[in-house]
Amino acid sequence: AAGVIQSPRHLIKEKRETATLKCYPIPRHDTVYWYQQGPGQDPQFLISFYEKMQSDKGSIPDRFSAQQFSDYHSELNMSSLELGDSALYFCASSRGQNNEQYFGPGTRLTVT
Amino acid sequence: GQQVMQIPQYQHVQEGEDFTTYCNSSTTLSNIQWYKQRPGGHPVFLIQLVKSGEVKKQKRLTFQFGEAKKNSSLHITATQTTDVGTYFCAGQDRGSTLGRLYFGRGTQLTVWP
Repeated sequence: AAGVIQSPRHLIKEKRETATLKCYPIPRHDTVYWYQQGPGQDPQFLISFYEKMQSDKGSIPDRFSAQQFSDYHSELNMSSLELGDSALYFCASSRGQNNEQYFGPGTRLTVT
Repeated sequence: GQQVMQIPQYQHVQEGEDFTTYCNSSTTLSNIQWYKQRPGGHPVFLIQLVKSGEVKKQKRLTFQFGEAKKNSSLHITATQTTDVGTYFCAGQDRGSTLGRLYFGRGTQLTVWP
């Protein structure tokens, strides 16, 4: 079965640079969620999209923005990167907003 | 705000022993989902519980959702080394239809052969 695809899998950036993370949800899933997971921590909700519209916003810094495109893929744009942004970034998708979420393999972002 | 507490944080067991992790939410949930994450991996969906008092089984795994829809547990019978990983519960708030998951801190399970 098709799973959530994320790219890139690893990303190394320097402070103050920008990064773009991409997420391709499972086919026919209309909802995308972004989560950030620090070392040894649980995933923290950043933002979500339902039917290409932003539906919910969590603890996402103003330096970050995201969108969902007409083909339902989503991109997380991160600017003015800080050392503290180093983390695993997961995208998850679901069909509808209150159903089970399936996570992608994640993007490991390292800011140096 | 919404909080999901999960205990214990760590559990070390001998292979063949049982294991249980518990979740408790500060508010009533619409549903709770359980995930397993291996070191270096991503959360893998295990199950979703929706109904009050629901009990579901998957082979050696038994999941329960409390009557008040505020607590849940995962029990593994006769653990195996393949059960190693961190088990997370994650709840969706009953007061919202937006679907964000509130994760517990996870229980890291180590199984000694």
